[in-house]
Amino acid sequence: DAGVIQSPRHEVTEMGQEVTLRCKPISGHNSLFWYRQTMMRGLELLIYFNNNVPIDDSGMPEDRFSAKMPNASFSTLKIQPSEPRDSAVYFCASSLARSTGELFFGEGSRLTVL
Amino acid sequence: KQEVTQIPAALSVPEGENLVLNCSFTDSAIYNLQWFRQDPGKGLTSLLLIQSSQREQTSGRLNASLDKSSGRSTLYIAASQPGDSATYLCAVLSGGGADGLTFGKGTHLIIQP
Repeated sequence: DAGVIQSPRHEVTEMGQEVTLRCKPISGHNSLFWYRQTMMRGLELLIYFNNNVPIDDSGMPEDRFSAKMPNASFSTLKIQPSEPRDSAVYFCASSLARSTGELFFGEGSRLTVL
Repeated sequence: KQEVTQIPAALSVPEGENLVLNCSFTDSAIYNLQWFRQDPGKGLTSLLLIQSSQREQTSGRLNASLDKSSGRSTLYIAASQPGDSATYLCAVLSGGGADGLTFGKGTHLIIQP
């Protein structure tokens, strides 16, 4: 299995631009998570999906952030408009079952907003 | 709200030593606890997963214990090697059904050759 696949690995953009991060979870996994990692705050859960349905988006910082999971093999995290404080590494992770499953992470998307 | 604390924040030891990393959490109503390793510029790699009904898990030179009642977990690394150098993160999946994993800030480990 290829593991969780994220793209792009690196993104540099200017303030105000739209950013779309993509994730392909491990095949057969029912739960998908989006995390953000910064030096100051560590890893923060943004949103998670169970069977393609958003369950908890309380970690999404603002309305500028949105996430979708149109099918079991694809999810996007969109930031519009982006701001410099959004600069971070964004991780996608998936698990077979939310309450018992081991969590597998992608390599992350490093976002820099100038 | 669940809070996870890892001590120490950083640790440097000579190769060959046995070492213990600590993790504590404030809400004992957890589904499971997971230890991860993160290398610079990389994602997180799962090391060990302990379900709430278990006391410990072992994988090679790694042993993780869980004491749910006291809100503590330890990761024991035997016979440390330079390749063990990384940041180790502890994460708990809380009960209540609504949360994803809550992470500690990690322990940055350096094994000196």
